[in-house]
Amino acid sequence: GQSLEQPSEVTAVEGAIVQINCTYQTSGFYGLSWYQQHDGGAPTFLSYNALDGLEETGRFSSFLSRSDSYGYLLLQELQMKDSASYFCAFYAGNNRKLIWGLGTSLAVNP
Amino acid sequence: EPEVTQTPSHQVTQMGQEVILRCVPISNHLYFYWYRQILGQKVEFLVSFYNNEISEKSEIFDDQFSVERPDGSNFTLKIRSTKLEDSAMYFCASSVAGGFNEQFFGPGTRLTVL
Repeated sequence: GQSLEQPSEVTAVEGAIVQINCTYQTSGFYGLSWYQQHDGGAPTFLSYNALDGLEETGRFSSFLSRSDSYGYLLLQELQMKDSASYFCAFYAGNNRKLIWGLGTSLAVNP
Repeated sequence: EPEVTQTPSHQVTQMGQEVILRCVPISNHLYFYWYRQILGQKVEFLVSFYNNEISEKSEIFDDQFSVERPDGSNFTLKIRSTKLEDSAMYFCASSVAGGFNEQFFGPGTRLTVL
């Protein structure tokens, strides 16, 4: 089947670095995406990794290892506004539907 | 910056009633999607739409659901006879192409079935 696993909750303090891991299982894999969702809001695209390695976008980086079926999102210099849910998701099927993990709730404390 | 819009933001309906959720995708996008998120759960794919037809649908998207692009801008999701378990946030998304492009999500419609 198709599934993704990620921690349900992570807590960190302002200015810290946090890593949110994601492992996945699927027969056809095209790449891993990360989305941010604030309470009640729309998911917002953060990153997409098609190939192994690290992609950096400002304070956020995302990593993929296809051989390990594993990826992570790294958030640096945490700010209070980073408190949100973070979802890993992969594209599946010919029409590129997104299959989502359960999400990780990140709480950033002062 | 262009964005996906959805109306209404919140819809309350009685079980068995029909509802239509509306979306206006980003104007140059070609691929459209509906997802739903039951409170506290993960986002689930419902249906994808391209070239005026459904390109893929999930097992959730049964005969009670339908989608339409009635004109050049709107994209609608209809639920013919709502059930209590249809209560969820429904997100519309669009992408410029069907490849591995960023999907842009609307703000969602919260559907409450009583």
